[in-house]
Amino acid sequence: KNQVEQSPQSLIILEGKNCTLQCNYTVSPFSNLRWYKQDTGRGPVSLTIMTFSENTKSNGRYTATLDADTKQSSLHITASQLSDSASYICVARQTGANNLFFGTGTRLTVIP
Amino acid sequence: NAGVMQNPRHLVRRRGQEARLRCSPMKGHSHVYWYRQLPEEGLKFMVYLQKENIIDESGMPKERFSAEFPKEGPSILRIQQVVRGDSAAYFCASSPSGRGSNQETQYFGPGTRLLVL
Repeated sequence: KNQVEQSPQSLIILEGKNCTLQCNYTVSPFSNLRWYKQDTGRGPVSLTIMTFSENTKSNGRYTATLDADTKQSSLHITASQLSDSASYICVARQTGANNLFFGTGTRLTVIP
Repeated sequence: NAGVMQNPRHLVRRRGQEARLRCSPMKGHSHVYWYRQLPEEGLKFMVYLQKENIIDESGMPKERFSAEFPKEGPSILRIQQVVRGDSAAYFCASSPSGRGSNQETQYFGPGTRLLVL
């Protein structure tokens, strides 16, 4: 069954601290994996995209990693800011299909 | 360049009424996707359309739900005889290209939150 699981479900960290969000996927055949940021009441916005041949991709303070062998990805946020408070959603895509499989997200809250 | 626009942002309907959700894709995008997000769940694919064509509706419930993307105007997701279980956030996304372009990005709208009383 194609699915994406994320952990933790929610996370609270102090401003300025780092954090890492996890994603496991069983989507096959695998094409690429994206991390999205979804602010409350808004649609998801793409942060990074990685294909099976890429191990890491950075976008400012966001760094995503991908291990295609273990089918795991992580999103590391450095020096968190209050504006990082959002849901972070891991999305895996099948080769050739336009279906995206969404995780339920990690709800991150950054507190001052 | 305005992003994907959806309206209304919030919609309240009583059981048995019809709900019409509209989505205007980004300028130059001819591919539209609809997703549903139930509370505490991830987004689930519903339907993929190009102008005047439904390409993939494998995620659409068999009854009461329909979608269209006419040559002119926005894409419409229509839910007839709504039930309480239809309460959810409905997101529309658009992209400039479709299948065969695996790395293309889908740009999401802000969603329509449907509440069925």
